[in-house]
Amino acid sequence: DIQLTQSPSSLSASVGDRVTITCRASQSISIYLNWYHQKPGKAPKLLIYAASRLQSGVPSRFSGSGSGTDFTLTISSLQPEDFATYYCQQSYSTPTFGQGTRLEIK
Amino acid sequence: EVQLLESGGGLVQPGGSLRLSCAASGFTFTSYAMSWVRQAPGKGLEWVSTIKGNNGATYYADSVKGRFTFSRDNSKNTLYLQMDTLRAEDTATYYCAKGIDSGSSTFDYWGQGTLVTVSS
Repeated sequence: DIQLTQSPSSLSASVGDRVTITCRASQSISIYLNWYHQKPGKAPKLLIYAASRLQSGVPSRFSGSGSGTDFTLTISSLQPEDFATYYCQQSYSTPTFGQGTRLEIK
Repeated sequence: EVQLLESGGGLVQPGGSLRLSCAASGFTFTSYAMSWVRQAPGKGLEWVSTIKGNNGATYYADSVKGRFTFSRDNSKNTLYLQMDTLRAEDTATYYCAKGIDSGSSTFDYWGQGTLVTVSS
């Protein structure tokens, strides 16, 4: 199975900050990389698919980039509702998820 | 509006069985791949199984292969996950998730989840 490694594992930031989370795949997955966030007690929500495509209804402060093995999720200006755990997931082969990045309020 | 509603979770002893259901509405059921994804308490997400929308082919994670069976009833727009020979490590919240097309494992809608606890 393809392994996804996210960094950092946790992150403290303030409202208004620009934040970047990275995801590295153990082999090339082209652009078959998705990003989700999950709030405590809730289901995950799709933010970005195919590496850079913004899911309908997701604010434009979220953006994704990358291809091959290295990907990034950027939040341009953190809002209070963005504090959550973020997961990358590959849909190139048998689906796998990264271990998660916990984004906390500083 | 797309809705996915899971049910059937609960407490079961090791070696026991449980059947989860996922009632789907708001979309053409057979046109999309559907999946189960689980999350152990305090842990990350783990894909469990997928059923393709076009041909109903099923796929399983190695950790559940031979023990879990994913099926669907097109007349009821309902999915089922039959879980047999349950182990403590199967304890998790199980989410039903919709793919963005008939073969995709990109999940655009998720249910609220149902908790399965395997313990004596």
